[in-house]
Amino acid sequence: NAGVTQTPKFQVLKTGQSMTLQCAQDMNHEYMSWYRQDPGMGLRLIHYSVGAGITDQGEVPNGYNVSRSTTEDFPLRLLSAAPSQTSVYFCASGRDRGYEQYFGPGTRLTVT
Amino acid sequence: AQSVTQLDSQVPVFEEAPVELRCNYSSSVSVYLFWYVQYPNQGLQLLLKYLSGSTLVKGINGFEAEFNKSQTSFHLRKPSVHISDTAEYFCAVRRDDYKLSFGAGTTVTVRA
Repeated sequence: NAGVTQTPKFQVLKTGQSMTLQCAQDMNHEYMSWYRQDPGMGLRLIHYSVGAGITDQGEVPNGYNVSRSTTEDFPLRLLSAAPSQTSVYFCASGRDRGYEQYFGPGTRLTVT
Repeated sequence: AQSVTQLDSQVPVFEEAPVELRCNYSSSVSVYLFWYVQYPNQGLQLLLKYLSGSTLVKGINGFEAEFNKSQTSFHLRKPSVHISDTAEYFCAVRRDDYKLSFGAGTTVTVRA
């Protein structure tokens, strides 16, 4: 099993550009989520999904969109990048939202 | 309301010395608690978890944690650290809305 995979590993965007961060898992987990990690703030939940076709907002959803058309994939879209979105983004999956999460390796995003 | 408080942001320790990382939580649902480790430039890995049963939980790499309901704590310990334990450690708890909430993290630096 590959576990949770994320692409790209690194990305630099200019303010106003859009892009999609990819996330896939091969563990047949129903629950998937996106976090951002900023120094001194731990991980903050952006969006999550409890199954294909079902998504919901987390703590910091503004400026991000998600969709879940399959169990395996959960892409995160930045609509119009802003410097405040410079962060490390982690995708995670798990059997349920309140249980242990399996994390991908992360995407380091810089917005200039 | 803050669900998880990690009481130390940085913990320097010498090799082969013991280490304790402190975590306090607030949650009124059944308490599920987790410790994750993040090595430099990697994603998070689960160290150990408490779901029910024995209050002393053993995890990977010689770590253990004790659940203390009266003090709402879940401190992580290792009796003898190695250089390779240098990493950031995150405590997490299942919140009242059944999602996971992460602490701000504790950076452990092990010196020879």
